[in-house]
Amino acid sequence: SAVISQKPSRDICQRGTSLTIQCQVDSQVTMMFWYRQQPGQSLTLIATANQGSEATYESGFVIDKFPISRPNLTFSTLTVSNMSPEDSSIYLCSVGPDTQYFGPGTRLTVL
Amino acid sequence: QKEVEQNSGPLSVPEGAIASLNCTYSDRGSQSFFWYRQYSGKSPELIMFIYSNGDKEDGRFTAQLNKASQYVSLLIRDSQPSDSATYLCASGGTGTASKLTFGTGTRLQVTL
Repeated sequence: SAVISQKPSRDICQRGTSLTIQCQVDSQVTMMFWYRQQPGQSLTLIATANQGSEATYESGFVIDKFPISRPNLTFSTLTVSNMSPEDSSIYLCSVGPDTQYFGPGTRLTVL
Repeated sequence: QKEVEQNSGPLSVPEGAIASLNCTYSDRGSQSFFWYRQYSGKSPELIMFIYSNGDKEDGRFTAQLNKASQYVSLLIRDSQPSDSATYLCASGGTGTASKLTFGTGTRLQVTL
């Protein structure tokens, strides 16, 4: 399976600021996904990051709040914009298709 | 709305016993099914995947799929304390439709 890294691994941010999370894969992958895992909850898909085109967002998630870039087949970023304490979560990228493998996650705390 | 249901547990089994974890799904169009293990503070780790009806074995793990009943299970034989974790069941499609829907997870405790 691909080796996936995420930066930062954790961060504490102030309300109203933005944070960009990076996901790097050691090989080219067709599909990349971004998930959120709120405290004590399961994983919720935010969006599918599409190489060379706009991301495909799931219901309840919008581009203005979670802009995503995917400039090539090994890299993607997720920005959490205008943060509030409700955005405190673990953010995970995964790669596919079919069988998905997850990165180590970014633990975000918003004060 | 696609749903995946799991009993949240905790499921407590003694060391050496068989742990049986269950999952049901609502979308009959689901084509792929996955079991992930998640230790506290860590990201999900793929344990098994299954696409066809029946059993699939990998070491101490057996995944079972019954599409008619929309039911997926994971059996862990000879359970070890290191198996104590939350087990997430997920369903998905294939190819470009391969986004996953996750259950809430079952917490397994293997006791000495």
